[in-house]
Amino acid sequence: GQNIDQPTEMTATEGAIVQINCTYQTSGFNGLFWYQQHAGEAPTFLSYNVLDGLEEKGRFSSFLSRSKGYSYLLLKELQMKDSASYLCAVINGQNFVFGPGTRLSVLP
Amino acid sequence: KAGVTQTPRYLIKTRGQQVTLSCSPISGHRSVSWYQQTPGQGLQFLFEYFSETQRNKGNFPGRFSGRQFSNSRSEMNVSTLELGDSALYLCASSQQGQVANTEAFFGQGTRLTVV
Repeated sequence: GQNIDQPTEMTATEGAIVQINCTYQTSGFNGLFWYQQHAGEAPTFLSYNVLDGLEEKGRFSSFLSRSKGYSYLLLKELQMKDSASYLCAVINGQNFVFGPGTRLSVLP
Repeated sequence: KAGVTQTPRYLIKTRGQQVTLSCSPISGHRSVSWYQQTPGQGLQFLFEYFSETQRNKGNFPGRFSGRQFSNSRSEMNVSTLELGDSALYLCASSQQGQVANTEAFFGQGTRLTVV
């Protein structure tokens, strides 16, 4: 089966660091994506991991452990505009399987 | 370059009717995937088209169908609409599609409301 879990909601303070976790159990694995989606808008690409380890891109970093079926998205120096839903998606060789998304609220 | 364009943005239909949604991918992209997004279920994969052929299909009933034209534009059709079909329908385009693990670019979506 295909199952991806993420926390439903998280809250953090402007300027802080937040880690959004994603665990997955899929029939195949060809990579993991993180997308950001603001309310009423289309998802936009943040990062892609296919090998174990950390990928850093500015204030955003994504980590993958294939043996544990685990990934996290790390957001540093949080800004108000980072308030959005964060979607974890796994490619299992046939299609994208999306997690339910984590709604992040950044407070002043 | 222009992004992914979906039309219409909003649609209201009654139960039993059918609806056709359109998606124009980024120029040069050959893969178009369709997703249904609802608050309770999140993003669920409907199907993917690549070079006018359906390459992958999710777990949706046969009322949901699609096609892709030679210019890569894609349409999705839902027949015999049900209240539960109310959702945001997103399409995503990419150069090679999901089998190549390439980044997907999403359109703004079509918000379908079935009453």
